[in-house]
Amino acid sequence: DTAVSQTPKYLVTQMGNDKSIKCEQNLGHDTMYWYKQDSKKFLKIMFSYNNKELIINETVPNRFSPKSPDKAHLNLHINSLELGDSAVYFCASSQDYSGNTIYFGEGSWLTVV
Amino acid sequence: GESVGLHLPTLSVQEGDNSIINCAYSNSASDYFIWYKQESGKGPQFIIDIRSNMDKRQGQRVTVLLNKTVKHLSLQIAATQPGDSAVYFCAESITGNTPLVFGKGTRLSVIA
Repeated sequence: DTAVSQTPKYLVTQMGNDKSIKCEQNLGHDTMYWYKQDSKKFLKIMFSYNNKELIINETVPNRFSPKSPDKAHLNLHINSLELGDSAVYFCASSQDYSGNTIYFGEGSWLTVV
Repeated sequence: GESVGLHLPTLSVQEGDNSIINCAYSNSASDYFIWYKQESGKGPQFIIDIRSNMDKRQGQRVTVLLNKTVKHLSLQIAATQPGDSAVYFCAESITGNTPLVFGKGTRLSVIA
């Protein structure tokens, strides 16, 4: 079983559309994250949730809205997609928010055309 | 700016040789460090970690060295194999305070 799973893996969509990426972890972790990886492979944190509560919200446009219905799920909804949103989005989780190892999903490749 | 940096984007090594990937960090308060491996089309995978109360930790074919004096972290891979070809990231955090901050990554290419 995949520990951190996210869907879809590939997403091609037009500018202006709204899309969602779903993430689930079966590790029993309390903390979940969304990271964005750009074309230069740079990984930057976007959001972090601990027990369904938002604890990190980096400088991300408010078109991006995370939602955590329970601590095993952290979905990412993106409104009014722009060309610059094209990237790979990684969901991740860790046992808690105390400097533990973060486990990543396989990534969702978003291409905005 | 980012506190973790990798300035060498590509490292090519002969199969069977040892590889050394370096990382400089600037936040002296960081106390937890991880190396990740990212293969093409996949997510980053944990390789090895080290806390600031240690200066060396060994795994299977990998060793992480931490030099807090000069804020330097390195990953040594023994007997590099083609399957080691990937992008390697170092990451740092302050326990209970900050999430992992990633460096820019180094691409390791193994020449058969």
